[in-house]
Amino acid sequence: QVQLVQSGAEVKKPGASVKISCEASGYSFGSFALHWLRQAPGQGPEWMGWINPGNGRTKYSQRLQDRVTITRDTASSTAYMELRSLRSEDTAIYYCATQLQTSAFDVWGLGTVVTVSS
Amino acid sequence: QSALTQSASVSGSPGQSITISCTGTSGDVGGYDFVSWYRHDPGEVPKLMIYEGIKRPSGVSSRFSGSKSGNTASLTVSGLQAEDEGDYYCCAYAGSSSWVFGGGTRLTVL
Repeated sequence: QVQLVQSGAEVKKPGASVKISCEASGYSFGSFALHWLRQAPGQGPEWMGWINPGNGRTKYSQRLQDRVTITRDTASSTAYMELRSLRSEDTAIYYCATQLQTSAFDVWGLGTVVTVSS
Repeated sequence: QSALTQSASVSGSPGQSITISCTGTSGDVGGYDFVSWYRHDPGEVPKLMIYEGIKRPSGVSSRFSGSKSGNTASLTVSGLQAEDEGDYYCCAYAGSSSWVFGGGTRLTVL
């Protein structure tokens, strides 16, 4: 059974960093791109970036590239997303997703709620 | 502010057809055949409804169809059912391994 299992909710203060994990199972982790997306309250989703788990190469959205880093651990089939210098506008549900059977985001994690508040 | 423009809401009665539009630019919607549509209800995981503009994933009702003309993509739901009510988002490949989304359309079944 294909699954992306994300880490739990986080509450952070402005200026802090958050690191979220996404553990893949049921498929070959290294063979499919792993993306990170987020959706803030009342807004549409935002694509943040992706990693090729096979070789570790990454691509980030221009808007977030100075603050986001995506990494992976192939031994545990886990991808990580770190977002630095958090602001209240970063309060959102963060998702990992992959393109397993199509060219679109067809498998999603359940999401991780990140709240940034002083 | 989302990169792709969607109308905020659309409504229809059971059995009717509705169309949700998604307008981008030649750099995203108009430039590639990689438009996808998602349904995302609060508290749920986003569900892929259409990919590559016109293709339906396994398990998605044939009442959902996609199309594109120029820089505008569309999602049509025919034979509306109460269970179709929810929030729908478009997404487009924007080149250089990046993707953009619309702000979402709330579909209400009257």
